[in-house]
Amino acid sequence: GQNIDQPTEMTATEGAIVQINCTYQTSGFNGLFWYQQHAGEAPTFLSYNVLDGLEEKGRFSSFLSRSKGYSYLLLKELQMKDSASYLCAVKDSNYQLIWGAGTKLIIKP
Amino acid sequence: GAVVSQHPSWVICKSGTSVKIECRSLDFQATTMFWYRQFPKQSLMLMATSNEGSKATYEQGVEKDKFLINHASLTLSTLTVTSAHPEDSSFYICSGTDGLAGYNEQFFGPGTRLTVL
Repeated sequence: GQNIDQPTEMTATEGAIVQINCTYQTSGFNGLFWYQQHAGEAPTFLSYNVLDGLEEKGRFSSFLSRSKGYSYLLLKELQMKDSASYLCAVKDSNYQLIWGAGTKLIIKP
Repeated sequence: GAVVSQHPSWVICKSGTSVKIECRSLDFQATTMFWYRQFPKQSLMLMATSNEGSKATYEQGVEKDKFLINHASLTLSTLTVTSAHPEDSSFYICSGTDGLAGYNEQFFGPGTRLTVL
């Protein structure tokens, strides 16, 4: 079957750095996405990786290793507004998005 | 980025009634639209995928006769929850992708919160 694993919840301090991991086992791979979702709102796009390596976009970076079926989202200089759920999603061989359950990130002052 | 709107943003209805939710892509042509459902503290669950002008493809366990999806144009898709029951209360989110431009990203609407009494 297809499976995406992320930690259920993480806690970090304002101004610090946090890394949210995602491992996946899917039938084929056509890209990995990270989305941010605040409570009661729809997801918003953060990043897309299809090749191995690190993609940096401001305070957020996303890393992919296809051979290991592994990705992480790195958030730097954490702000209180970064408190949200972070969803990892993989596009499989049928170009269908398989979603992880999401990681709830709690930022403390 | 591309914008997707949903209407209504929230709705309360009586059990047994039908509710229609509209999803519109405002500044791009959504050749493919997706409908998701999300229960509290759970992840997104894909309900169906629809391509403009063709019948929707429903995920396993989703009743196509209960959740009617119409994607009649490149900018509009509708989801009708027929004979709604309290267990249908959920957050319904649509998204669209512009397949013609080769985009991989799905653009999400703001969601519709449905409460069935």
